[in-house]
Amino acid sequence: RKEVEQDPGPFNVPEGATVAFNCTYSNSASQSFFWYRQDCRKEPKLLMSVYSSGNEDGRFTAQLNRASQYISLLIRDSKLSDSATYLCVVNLLFQGGKLIFGQGTELSVKP
Amino acid sequence: DTEVTQTPKHLVMGMTNKKSLKCEQHMGHRAMYWYKQKAKKPPELMFVYSYEKLSINESVPSRFSPECPNSSLLNLHLHALQPEDSALYLCASSQDKIVVSEPYGGYGYTFGSGTRLTVV
Repeated sequence: RKEVEQDPGPFNVPEGATVAFNCTYSNSASQSFFWYRQDCRKEPKLLMSVYSSGNEDGRFTAQLNRASQYISLLIRDSKLSDSATYLCVVNLLFQGGKLIFGQGTELSVKP
Repeated sequence: DTEVTQTPKHLVMGMTNKKSLKCEQHMGHRAMYWYKQKAKKPPELMFVYSYEKLSINESVPSRFSPECPNSSLLNLHLHALQPEDSALYLCASSQDKIVVSEPYGGYGYTFGSGTRLTVV
């Protein structure tokens, strides 16, 4: 079983749609959680850290359920510019900063 | 613009060549990383430096040799590479420690734009 698993993609949605990405992690020692965005042939960029209390940044909402070892990302009113691959990432306790990446979910927002 | 600068952006090298990838950051970060990313795959950790000392080597072949001359610079020396080593090589940096306590979550990394390496 992969340490971090994400919904397989690609997700093809129209502009203005709401889209949700799900992610599960297997190691209960995971301590920090992130969503990264990666555009084609570019580097990953931090989208959001994810907190147990949930957090929102504009059209983006991230949720963490430690009991279920589940992370989500909700994008409301999707834009063409949201098209990218979204990577679910966790950091393990005592792993010296090592980040574990999910396989990524590709999102394509169409006009 | 990214705050982690990688050079060169593209590199083509033969299997007998020796080349180096360079990475620089001026954010005062004390942890620096090398990742390798193949097409349609997530980044895979290669090396971690913390306070200029190598702290993690993910069983990377010796044809990849990292070096951290100071807290702002990270190099990756390449020698006798194979075609399957062709990939995007990403450098990243972070504050020394990923914060544990809520609600501040963690810092995450800042990635450089990468060096696209082709081995012929």
